[in-house]
Amino acid sequence: AQSVTQLDSQVPVFEEAPVELRCNYSSSVSVYLFWYVQYPNQGLQLLLKYLSGSTLVKGINGFEAEFNKSQTSFHLRKPSVHISDTAEYFCAVSATGTASKLTFGTGTRLQVTL
Amino acid sequence: DTEVTQTPKHLVMGMTNKKSLKCEQHMGHRAMYWYKQKAKKPPELMFVYSYEKLSINESVPSRFSPECPNSSLLNLHLHALQPEDSALYLCASSQEWTARGYTFGSGTRLTVV
Repeated sequence: AQSVTQLDSQVPVFEEAPVELRCNYSSSVSVYLFWYVQYPNQGLQLLLKYLSGSTLVKGINGFEAEFNKSQTSFHLRKPSVHISDTAEYFCAVSATGTASKLTFGTGTRLQVTL
Repeated sequence: DTEVTQTPKHLVMGMTNKKSLKCEQHMGHRAMYWYKQKAKKPPELMFVYSYEKLSINESVPSRFSPECPNSSLLNLHLHALQPEDSALYLCASSQEWTARGYTFGSGTRLTVV
């Protein structure tokens, strides 16, 4: 089975500052990795995903993440945040292949202020 | 059409009521999922349908009854729910039963009174 740890439950940051949201995973098999964003009272939107290939993944809204197999990490970064980035961010993992469950981390609340 | 549509968006029901949640997609996806999300928690998988067959039931109480009448539609029938069942219910779909690319709906906010 796979598991995900998001150590930071909340990350406060000023507008236009850079941000990094941390995600570590555990798995005995190859994995797919994902970051989803959830705005208040909405569903989940896929920000980016790592399936294979280049370890640096670029997503929507200026976010990017780097897959580090040796450190079992998939941290999410943005060089300059906006007020509109305030939301809940979930890291998720699944085993590769079919019939695999998507397991979510506990989430990180990104709070952007002026 | 690249959306998963869930109806209703909000539902308040009594503990003796019977209601249904509906999820629809027209992307040709053959796997559909129900998740339950409590406040300030991550989504938790309830059911997986693959090619209209129930493939996973995550030990969900029988008061939740899923149904997949066709490849585009997924229902969740609710009966005799408890207040602790109040949550956001999310539907998702993917081309095949793989996590490579899920599309989530915006959810149904359920309150049991």
